[in-house]
Amino acid sequence: GAGVSQSPSNKVTEKGKDVELRCDPISGHTALYWYRQSLGQGLEFLIYFQGNSAPDKSGLPSDRFSAERTGGSVSTLTIQRTQQEDSAVYLCASSLAVGVTEAFFGQGTRLTVV
Amino acid sequence: RKEVEQDPGPFNVPEGATVAFNCTYSNSASQSFFWYRQDCRKEPKLLMSVYSSGNEDGRFTAQLNRASQYISLLIRDSKLSDSATYLCVVTMDSNYQLIWGAGTKLIIKP
Repeated sequence: GAGVSQSPSNKVTEKGKDVELRCDPISGHTALYWYRQSLGQGLEFLIYFQGNSAPDKSGLPSDRFSAERTGGSVSTLTIQRTQQEDSAVYLCASSLAVGVTEAFFGQGTRLTVV
Repeated sequence: RKEVEQDPGPFNVPEGATVAFNCTYSNSASQSFFWYRQDCRKEPKLLMSVYSSGNEDGRFTAQLNRASQYISLLIRDSKLSDSATYLCVVTMDSNYQLIWGAGTKLIIKP
């Protein structure tokens, strides 16, 4: 596709369940970012993948959060044993990461934990 | 101190006025700078890059002051549609990691 694609666009889950959020970046983009944003708040950095380098996981809020990026393309963010405070919009972005590093965002996944 | 800081606002500005806000960054090694715009419940989208020489795009002017480590965004003849949150981003070419400000909320009033 032409842009960053995220799925699902909305997810309602019960507290304690695991969820997987998917991000399909723009083809050829080596950098991929996951962010979390609560209503009215700024972007909270979660994790950053850059090429074959080890990901920067410094933003993951707890060990219930993990992410992987297979084949340098699609990424999956997994949240285990979801809690109500995990409710937010999860945004994925990708960039070429060489020269002009403009990031393009997907439309996000709105996660609601009930 | 946060790596990138912005006044959260909101800036309440009458339509047609000029408004400016700044974004300060702490790492002098920062190399690339951008302004993004985020509408309510939407994803951020690039507004403009910020070059060392400054750049202008229609009613929008962005400037970089490396000595004082800040970037600025000036909006002239503001429109109701300019109401949004403006996010500044800096990157370091060492690892291309994006460092985001928390955003400045702008409200243009008729």
